[in-house]
Amino acid sequence: AQSVTQPDIHITVSEGASLELRCNYSYGATPYLFWYVQSPGQGLQLLLKYFSGDTLVQGIKGFEAEFKRSQSSFNLRKPSVHWSDAAEYFCAAQGNTGFQKLVFGTGTRLLVSP
Amino acid sequence: DAMVIQNPRYQVTQFGKPVTLSCSQTLNHNVMYWYQQKSSQAPKLLFHYYDKDFNNEADTPDNFQSRRPNTSFCFLDIRSPGLGDAAMYLCATSRVADTQYFGPGTRLTVL
Repeated sequence: AQSVTQPDIHITVSEGASLELRCNYSYGATPYLFWYVQSPGQGLQLLLKYFSGDTLVQGIKGFEAEFKRSQSSFNLRKPSVHWSDAAEYFCAAQGNTGFQKLVFGTGTRLLVSP
Repeated sequence: DAMVIQNPRYQVTQFGKPVTLSCSQTLNHNVMYWYQQKSSQAPKLLFHYYDKDFNNEADTPDNFQSRRPNTSFCFLDIRSPGLGDAAMYLCATSRVADTQYFGPGTRLTVL
């Protein structure tokens, strides 16, 4: 079955420190991959996506993600976290043929300490 | 800016009283989705429209219905809301097999 795993439910990072959020997927073929961010009471905002090509993807707000086929991973990174980055982060995958549902991970809540 | 708009942002209804949530888009996408999101959970797809074709998820309760009168608008109707239907409802749009863009959500409270 298709699935996305985010092994960390909560992560706390000091402001200014680097961040890496983990995401692994299980699909028959490489899916399209996404990271979304959700602030409390808000909708989901697209940070970045990977369809094909360069495996290091740049997104908004200084985020980047690296696709690693051998590890079935698509980890999100940011070199220096700001207090405003505190939010819920969802990794998601979608099959790349025809209409396919978006499959979400369970989310990682990022807390930023002063 | 092209975007997905949801109204209202907050909706309070009484147990059993029908409610309608609205979604509109200026992206001209042919697919529109409705998700339900409960606290500390990922969004759960209820149904989607591919143009005028309605596609219901197998586990979506009959209490939830949807209408898409034109490309730009889509409505979620909850016929008899129960306490368990209190949640954030998210609308999203996309082209087929492409990125989904989400609206800001409607927070539904059932009293």
